Amino acid sequence: KAGVTQTPRYLIKTRGQQVTLSCSPISGHRSVSWYQQTPGQGLQFLFEYFSETQRNKGNFPGRFSGRQFSNSRSEMNVSTLELGDSALYLCASSDAGSYNEQFFGPGTRLTVL
Amino acid sequence: QKEVEQNSGPLSVPEGAIASLNCTYSDRGSQSFFWYRQYSGKSPELIMSIYSNGDKEDGRFTAQLNKASQYVSLLIRDSQPSDSATYLCAVNRYTGRRALTFGSGTRLQVQP
Repeated sequence: KAGVTQTPRYLIKTRGQQVTLSCSPISGHRSVSWYQQTPGQGLQFLFEYFSETQRNKGNFPGRFSGRQFSNSRSEMNVSTLELGDSALYLCASSDAGSYNEQFFGPGTRLTVL
Repeated sequence: QKEVEQNSGPLSVPEGAIASLNCTYSDRGSQSFFWYRQYSGKSPELIMSIYSNGDKEDGRFTAQLNKASQYVSLLIRDSQPSDSATYLCAVNRYTGRRALTFGSGTRLQVQP
């Protein structure tokens, strides 16, 4: 099976702009979660989507949003970018079973100038 | 108090030795526990999951869970230089949901 794919792998934006990141989960996986990783805060949960519905949300401002499509692909959007949004954004894929194992994609490295 | 705590290291062990990585968590209702390995510049890779008290072995890796003490550990036997990485402990507080809380990671260095 192919793994989780994320595009683009690298992005450079300026403050105030918005950005959209994409994630394709492992085939058959219906749950997609997003995480932010920074040197200072570590890995933090952003939100989870399952069957096109946001099921859980972390403690991030409303500038961070996401959605999931019927084919389980997911996008996350960050509006009005701030310097502190520079991070590695990771998408994790999981199947519908109860054991919650999540498999990460390679990530998108976002740099905000 | 952090929700998931790990010693940041570095933990240095000689090649062939046993590396012991520890993690404590604060929420007694936590349901599932994971160890991820992350090489520098790469994304986390799932290496072990554990859900009930006791030990779970997979190859050179053994995860140990003690819910009464709110403690999870990972043992790596016959450590190899290729095991040098940051090991992240992650906890899921919700049954059926996928919202992991991560520790800050322990950096492991295996000396040849």
